[in-house]
Amino acid sequence: GDSVTQMEGPVTLSEEACLTINCTYTATGYPSLFWYVQYPGEGLQLLLKATKADDKGSNKGFEATYRKETTSFHLEKGSVQVSDSAVYFCAPSSRGGTASKLTFGTGTRLQVTL
Amino acid sequence: EAGVTQSPTHLIKTRGQQATLRCSPISGHTSVYWYQQALGLGLQFLLWYDEGEERNRGNFPPRFSGRQFPNYSSELNVNALELEDSALYLCASSLISRDNEQFFGPGTRLTVL
Repeated sequence: GDSVTQMEGPVTLSEEACLTINCTYTATGYPSLFWYVQYPGEGLQLLLKATKADDKGSNKGFEATYRKETTSFHLEKGSVQVSDSAVYFCAPSSRGGTASKLTFGTGTRLQVTL
Repeated sequence: EAGVTQSPTHLIKTRGQQATLRCSPISGHTSVYWYQQALGLGLQFLLWYDEGEERNRGNFPPRFSGRQFPNYSSELNVNALELEDSALYLCASSLISRDNEQFFGPGTRLTVL
């Protein structure tokens, strides 16, 4: 079945530091890829997505590129803010049929300090 | 446009009891997904309903069940509650589409004592 490997957290950074959260996946076919974010005490919000190889998803200064050859979808941001402190989940989506679902890893907690 | 809503926000039960959790999808969405987020375990896929039918099920025992109503809202039932069922239960909805983008509700925190 599908699986996701994310870097272990927590990741602690100072404000304005660069962020990379690694994500690799295994999935059948050609999944869509998502990053979701969960702020403290809240549900999940879609951060960005990419639906085919070499697509780059971006939102709020975050970016991730769909790398089919390395089955990776690493999340990057050039300058983090305290308000980015949250848990980040990488999730491939099986396409269609009865397999249609998102597969989540354990998430990576990011803590940004002043 | 209203997002996915879930009720109740919190639910406290004792072992052996039954819990019922409810979810209303975004208007126009026909698919509803349920996930369990237990502490330290990430999100585990529970159930997927579409057009009133159960389409897929995660690796959970049969005491986890649910249904989807004609208005596409959904109910998750957990029978014979165990302590390890304590978790945040998240509902998501989507349109059936190639990329399967899902929109999540705020969750129901279930505590089993």
